[in-house]
Amino acid sequence: NAGVTQTPKFQVLKTGQSMTLQCAQDMNHNSMYWYRQDPGMGLRLIYYSASEGTTDKGEVPNGYNVSRLNKREFSLRLESAAPSQTSVYFCASSGRTAGVGSGNTIYFGEGSWLTVV
Amino acid sequence: QQQVKQSPQSLIVQKGGIPIINCAYENTAFDYFPWYQQFPGKGPALLIAIRPDVSEKKEGRFTISFNKSAKQFSLHIMDSQPGDSATYFCAASIVGFGNEKLTFGTGTRLTIIP
Repeated sequence: NAGVTQTPKFQVLKTGQSMTLQCAQDMNHNSMYWYRQDPGMGLRLIYYSASEGTTDKGEVPNGYNVSRLNKREFSLRLESAAPSQTSVYFCASSGRTAGVGSGNTIYFGEGSWLTVV
Repeated sequence: QQQVKQSPQSLIVQKGGIPIINCAYENTAFDYFPWYQQFPGKGPALLIAIRPDVSEKKEGRFTISFNKSAKQFSLHIMDSQPGDSATYFCAASIVGFGNEKLTFGTGTRLTIIP
């Protein structure tokens, strides 16, 4: 049971280069997310997708684009990387937590460490 | 705008002690408050969660205390162990149908010393 799988694990980019972070989940979840984690800033939502074919901006979307390729896959693209995008990126998906009245549980991947030089 | 404020930023507790991590929220529409635990090199994972209709929830050694009027909630770890050393995030969201976006606190790095 893989859960949420994201690639690559580590990447070094030069300023201005582009790249795509890939993410796939095998839990049949409708909702998927991309977060970035920076020291002292916690986890900040970049983009999310409530269902296949829909995407919406989160708290920090500038400099990023996303594609919800199908129900399983949600990719994050940096078109022209900047040093400010050096961060750890987490893909996640969410499904209902067991129990009456519970909210959704968000399941995270293991992260992608991106350095922009 | 930080909608969920978490403190302290870091915490060192001796084994067996009771670390307490506090969070305060602003949006009164929030009605789901989970805590996530993150070990180095891993993604966060759900630890325990509470809805505002109860003031306390316990799961094993972990307890959430919730004060709706003060818009505050906290995580207590009883009989803490070195294996509890991790970063803890509180979060809040509005339960609905389909997509839910969690707003996270800034995290607390907890170290339990033997």
